[in-house]
Amino acid sequence: SQQGEEDPQALSIQEGENATMNCSYKTSINNLQWYRQNSGRGLVHLILIRSNEREKHSGRLRVTLDTSKKSSSLLITASRAADTASYFCATDRGRGSTLGRLYFGRGTQLTVWP
Amino acid sequence: DTAVSQTPKYLVTQMGNDKSIKCEQNLGHDTMYWYKQDSKKFLKIMFSYNNKELIINETVPNRFSPKSPDKAHLNLHINSLELGDSAVYFCASSQALPTGATNYGYTFGSGTRLTVV
Repeated sequence: SQQGEEDPQALSIQEGENATMNCSYKTSINNLQWYRQNSGRGLVHLILIRSNEREKHSGRLRVTLDTSKKSSSLLITASRAADTASYFCATDRGRGSTLGRLYFGRGTQLTVWP
Repeated sequence: DTAVSQTPKYLVTQMGNDKSIKCEQNLGHDTMYWYKQDSKKFLKIMFSYNNKELIINETVPNRFSPKSPDKAHLNLHINSLELGDSAVYFCASSQALPTGATNYGYTFGSGTRLTVV
């Protein structure tokens, strides 16, 4: 089954630095989504990028998508200790505009030190 | 608050028991899902369901069955629980992506940690 794969598996940085996480996937997609999961909590949707888009911004988040390479990146600028969490990419092969089922990668554990 | 809520948050039970996890969404979404997250944080789709179609991931044992009394609820029933069923189970919902929507995604519940002893 198709799954995204994130790298690195773990990332440790200082507050104020930028954090970049990458995601690769295997088959064609309708859209790709990034989620955050704080320890012991549920997933929070961060951003969605459609297959015909190349870049999206939301606050301190910047997501890129390269469908030719089947890869995406999530950049968090000026990181804060509160950004410490696991970050997952998820691909959606839903037909047209309908959201299908999500296939998740294994996540990147980001730790931001004060 | 608009949300996906699932109960219970924690469930500890013995092998062989039958248990249910409830999920409700008040977002008006037309599709609901169950995901399983294992101890390594890997999330895997189990079911997706709307009022037209139930899609079952073929790797899910038939001891697991979704039950939907109405559009806002999708409960997960598990028969004859096994040690390997221990995991965190997440309910989620979604709506068809609106044309021109700039950002849209799934809404997840906070999870049910199931421990089988």
